[in-house]
Amino acid sequence: IAGITQAPTSQILAAGRRMTLRCTQDMRHNAMYWYRQDLGLGLRLIHYSNTAGTTGKGEVPDGYSVSRANTDDFPLTLASAVPSQTSVYFCASSPGLPTGELFFGEGSRLTVL
Amino acid sequence: GQNIDQPTEMTATEGAIVQINCTYQTSGFNGLFWYQQHAGEAPTFLSYNVLDGLEEKGRFSSFLSRSKGYSYLLLKELQMKDSASYLCAVRDGDYKLSFGAGTTVTVRA
Repeated sequence: IAGITQAPTSQILAAGRRMTLRCTQDMRHNAMYWYRQDLGLGLRLIHYSNTAGTTGKGEVPDGYSVSRANTDDFPLTLASAVPSQTSVYFCASSPGLPTGELFFGEGSRLTVL
Repeated sequence: GQNIDQPTEMTATEGAIVQINCTYQTSGFNGLFWYQQHAGEAPTFLSYNVLDGLEEKGRFSSFLSRSKGYSYLLLKELQMKDSASYLCAVRDGDYKLSFGAGTTVTVRA
């Protein structure tokens, strides 16, 4: 059982380039999330999706977009990368109530130069 | 929005007990979570509290007081493998999960 798969694991990107981080889950969870993790700031929510076909903005959505065409996939796109988007990105999914804990992917380390 | 505070670092000796406190202010409350994150790895779920009181899971316990906006994670019989970052997270009225900055626990021999 794979759980949540993120790709790429690591990427170095020139500023101004477009980049899509992929996230796929095989647990049939309705809710999916994208977080970025920066030293001293913890995990911050970028975008989320409560179910296929719907998305919402989190705490730090600017510069990022997402889509949720089906239950399994939740890609995150940086339209024009900037150095401040250098971070570790975690995708997560949740089965919903009662506890609704998050299951995380292994993360994608992105460096924008 | 959320305001979640927890100490940045704690150090303890192998076999000892450590208590990590977390205070929060939230618009709506639908549960408090604790996650463990080893360096370079993804966070993993430890505990969940939605009602006041203590939840015990082996060496780990978590406590919640909703009226005080306060939780703690208690780690007993510390082992070297418990050296990690511990993240307090609050689920708000819209069921989004917000995280504190994390507490790095270092266990010394």
